[in-house]
Amino acid sequence: AQSVTQLDSQVPVFEEAPVELRCNYSSSVSVYLFWYVQYPNQGLQLLLKYLSGSTLVKGINGFEAEFNKSQTSFHLRKPSVHISDTAEYFCAVSVDTGTASKLTFGTGTRLQVTL
Amino acid sequence: ETGVTQSPTHLIKTRGQQVTLRCSSQSGHNTVSWYQQALGQGPQFIFQYYREEENGRGNFPPRFSGLQFPNYSSELNVNALELDDSALYLCASSLVWDREDYEQYFGPGTRLTVT
Repeated sequence: AQSVTQLDSQVPVFEEAPVELRCNYSSSVSVYLFWYVQYPNQGLQLLLKYLSGSTLVKGINGFEAEFNKSQTSFHLRKPSVHISDTAEYFCAVSVDTGTASKLTFGTGTRLQVTL
Repeated sequence: ETGVTQSPTHLIKTRGQQVTLRCSSQSGHNTVSWYQQALGQGPQFIFQYYREEENGRGNFPPRFSGLQFPNYSSELNVNALELDDSALYLCASSLVWDREDYEQYFGPGTRLTVT
């Protein structure tokens, strides 16, 4: 079975500073990887996904992530954060052949951006 | 294009009761997945329905059941409610074409409180 570890439960950062949210996964087979964002009292919104091809994936709102197969990691980065990026971020993995819709999520990282 | 909607937004039930949560998929989507998100945790996969049939189930007991209708709307039913069933229930729809789908669209969730 696959699993996802988000190493930081909370990440405080000042506005306009860079940020990295860490994600490691465990799986014996090839994976699809995702990052979702959840704003208070809302559902999940897809930030970006890795299916195959280039290991550097660009998403919405200026976020990007890099798939590292040897380190089984998929860290999320943003070069300059805004107050509006304050939210909960979830890394997720799917290993189902032919479909990527049964997701296993990490426990989330709370990004807190302050002035 | 209408997004994924869920009803009700909030619900309070008593232990032992039964509850039905509803989800309306995004237009054109043929697959719906349900997730349970306990407070402070990542979402956990309950089950998925594809073309009205269950297509995978997570580690949830049989008292969690579901339906998908011809118009691709869906219900999640939970019998004999327990206090630990208190959570945010998320519905996600996707389009599976030729056994491939890569993105799920989440609804805002239903907050269930069991007392």
